[in-house]
Parts: sequence; C-alpha cells; structure tokens
Amino acid sequence: NAGVTQTPKFRILKIGQSMTLQCTQDMNHNYMYWYRQDPGMGLKLIYYSVGAGITDKGEVPNGYNVSRSTTEDFPLRLELAAPSQTSVYFCASRTLNTGELFFGEGSRLTVL
Amino acid sequence: EDQVTQSPEALRLQEGESSSLNCSYTVSGLRGLFWYRQDPGKGPEFLFTLYSAGEEKEKERLKATLTKKESFLHITAPKPEDSATYLCAVPRTQGGSEKLVFGKGTKLTVNP
Repeated sequence: NAGVTQTPKFRILKIGQSMTLQCTQDMNHNYMYWYRQDPGMGLKLIYYSVGAGITDKGEVPNGYNVSRSTTEDFPLRLELAAPSQTSVYFCASRTLNTGELFFGEGSRLTVL
Repeated sequence: EDQVTQSPEALRLQEGESSSLNCSYTVSGLRGLFWYRQDPGKGPEFLFTLYSAGEEKEKERLKATLTKKESFLHITAPKPEDSATYLCAVPRTQGGSEKLVFGKGTKLTVNP
C-alpha cells in the first residue's frame, strides 16, 4: 500500500519557469491538500479539494493552481516560478470521517 | 483568528530525561486536536487525536493530554530515536470545509 506518493522529490527551477508537482493517493480518500513548509514557519495550506472536480483556495494560493479530475490525483501547478516559492511542498489526504492526515514524503523545490 | 502556538521551539534532552511539549490554541468550538511527528526530510506522521478536555492517549513513551486551552505531549524516559519535530494542529472550518491549522512545531533532540 503506497499511501500518498509525490513526484519529483527534488527540483531546481529558474525564475519564470513553470512546473507541476504530482500527487497520487491509493486510499480512496475524498479530501486532498497541498501544504508548503518553510523553515520556522510551519505548514501553510495552499489549496485543497473535497472530491473530484472540487477545489478551493487555502491560506497562500497566489502563484499556484490545482485540478482534481480523479479521486486519486491532485497535481499542483506553479506558473512563472519566483524565488518566494522555494520551499518544501507536502501533499496530504484524509477520509471524510476522520481528521487524520496522511502525508507524502515531500517535494523540495528551489527557484533560482 | 484561530491560532496554534507551540512551545518551546526547540528542546534538548538527555536520554532518560522526561519533559513535556506544549500546544496552546485559540479556536472556538474545538473539534479535535492532532499531534504529528516529523522526521527530517519526511512528511508528518500522525500520532494522536484528542477530542475533549481531560482526554489522554498514550503510545510507547509518549502521552498526550488535553485541557480547554492547551495540550501537552509528555515524553517519558526519551531515547535518541524520539528526536524529531512534533507538530500539533486543530481543525478550522472555512468555506464549509474543515482544514487543519498547524503550529510551528517543537524540535526535540535527545542526546545519548
């Protein structure tokens, strides 16, 4: 049982480039989330989804976009990368009935 | 605004030296408090959920307790493998959906 899988684990981007962080879960969870974690700042919610076809903004959505075409996949798109988007990104999922989040191992992104 | 504050930011213990981590929260109508453990380079891993004041939960050397304003994570006779960052989180309802708000974490180091 793989749980939540994120790719890539590491990526370096140049300012202005675009990329997509992939997230897949095999637990049939309805809820999926994207967080970013900066040193000393805790986890900040970027976007979330309560089911296929439904997404909404979190605390820090600017510069990002998401889609949820299937229950399993929740990709995060970065358009026109900026140095402020240098961070570690975590995807997470949960069922409808519990608050327990299952996290992926993270994607470390550096924008130079 | 709902807030989650963890203290201390960092804690160094000798192996076998018991201590406690604190998580205080300001949220109306608490619907659970969650503790997670995060190892370096990994995603957070769920430890406990507490729902009501007076509730306690234990796992190996860890015991989590909850009052009306704060939660404690007690670590009894810690070992070096308990070294990690410990995060607490509370759910907040926004836009009809429930999301977890995380504290910044306490980085625990246990020296042999």
